Amino acid sequence: RKEVEQDPGPFNVPEGATVAFNCTYSNSASQSFFWYRQDCRKEPKLLMSVYSSGNEDGRFTAQLNRASQYISLLIRDSKLSDSATYLCVVNKDQNTDKLIFGTGTRLQVFP
Amino acid sequence: DAGVIQSPRHEVTEMGQEVTLRCKPISGHNSLFWYRQTMMRGLELLIYFNNNVPIDDSGMPEDRFSAKMPNASFSTLKIQPSEPRDSAVYFCASSLPYSGAFFGQGTRLTVV
Repeated sequence: RKEVEQDPGPFNVPEGATVAFNCTYSNSASQSFFWYRQDCRKEPKLLMSVYSSGNEDGRFTAQLNRASQYISLLIRDSKLSDSATYLCVVNKDQNTDKLIFGTGTRLQVFP
Repeated sequence: DAGVIQSPRHEVTEMGQEVTLRCKPISGHNSLFWYRQTMMRGLELLIYFNNNVPIDDSGMPEDRFSAKMPNASFSTLKIQPSEPRDSAVYFCASSLPYSGAFFGQGTRLTVV
């Protein structure tokens, strides 16, 4: 089983739609969780951290379910500029900063 | 802050040549990571330093790869000898403890 698993997509949605991505992780000892965004031929960029209580940043909402070991990202009112690959990231365990990346979920927002 | 700085941005080299990639992390960050990204394998962690000390190099593919961090503001990743299958984008990233990592723009390596 992969340490971090994501549906590769692509998710093709119209502008204004709401879209959700899920990610599962294998190590119950993981403590830090993040979502990154990567545009074509660019570096990954930190989108948001994910906290146990859930957190929101504008149109983006991230949630963590420790019992089921999954993380979600919800994007409301999708914009064309949201088109990118979204990477789920988990630290290896509580004793390390080592970050493990999922393979990413590709989102394409169309007019 | 200028962010993580990598050089060169692009490198084309012949098989068998030595390649050295360079990275300057964000000042004050104590963790540094080298990743490799390909279409087939995605983003793979090669090695991770904490306070300039290599903590986990289990991702380094083979002895042809080596990485050093002589001080808090500089790291290198060396491939000797290079092979065509090493062609990829190599990213350096740095972070504070238990925080998300910030990436450099990457080095696009092509070995012909």
